[in-house]
Amino acid sequence: KNEVEQSPQNLTAQEGEFITINCSYSVGISALHWLQQHPGGGIVSLFMLSSGKKKHGRLIATINIQEKHSSLHITASHPRDSAVYICAVRLATSGSRLTFGEGTQLTVNP
Amino acid sequence: NAGVTQTPKFQVLKTGQSMTLQCAQDMNHEYMSWYRQDPGMGLRLIHYSVGAGITDQGEVPNGYNVSRSTTEDFPLRLLSAAPSQTSVYFCASSYSSSGAYEQYFGPGTRLTVT
Repeated sequence: KNEVEQSPQNLTAQEGEFITINCSYSVGISALHWLQQHPGGGIVSLFMLSSGKKKHGRLIATINIQEKHSSLHITASHPRDSAVYICAVRLATSGSRLTFGEGTQLTVNP
Repeated sequence: NAGVTQTPKFQVLKTGQSMTLQCAQDMNHEYMSWYRQDPGMGLRLIHYSVGAGITDQGEVPNGYNVSRSTTEDFPLRLLSAAPSQTSVYFCASSYSSSGAYEQYFGPGTRLTVT
């Protein structure tokens, strides 16, 4: 079993819909990252969380440390949000190293 | 700042050939890492470095060497390329701010080994 599990693997939405992507992990962590990978391949860091909630524009990330779970929400989705969203955790014992989920492929149709 | 740069963007090798993937960052970050990304799998750590002169193995180090002679550069060497090394390779750098490590990724190198 992977230490980091994301769901769903694939998600198709209509423009304007509210989207949720989930990430569960099985070990103690010091931080959780949400990353975005566009079709061109580049990877961008969206959020880094160790507790609570963060918001940036239409994106919201939450984390529940007790339940070992994080969610990434996109409000008023747009076709330009189509990308792979990757959850990564920094294990409590691994310093700067990250362990990655497999990613969620999001497609937003106009 | 250019951020994290990688060269080449694309490369085709024959089995047994060697080559070096270049990675450089101009942000004075302590930490640098190499990952490979394969279909159906998450990014996997190949090697990483916590500072100049210090490197260590990640999850999938076999067939790869690294060195970190300067803070800026972290090249990845394929010693004798194999088809199993066909992948997309990402270099990343990060720095520690109050125990948090913000990650910056390069644009990737798509490698095909025939």
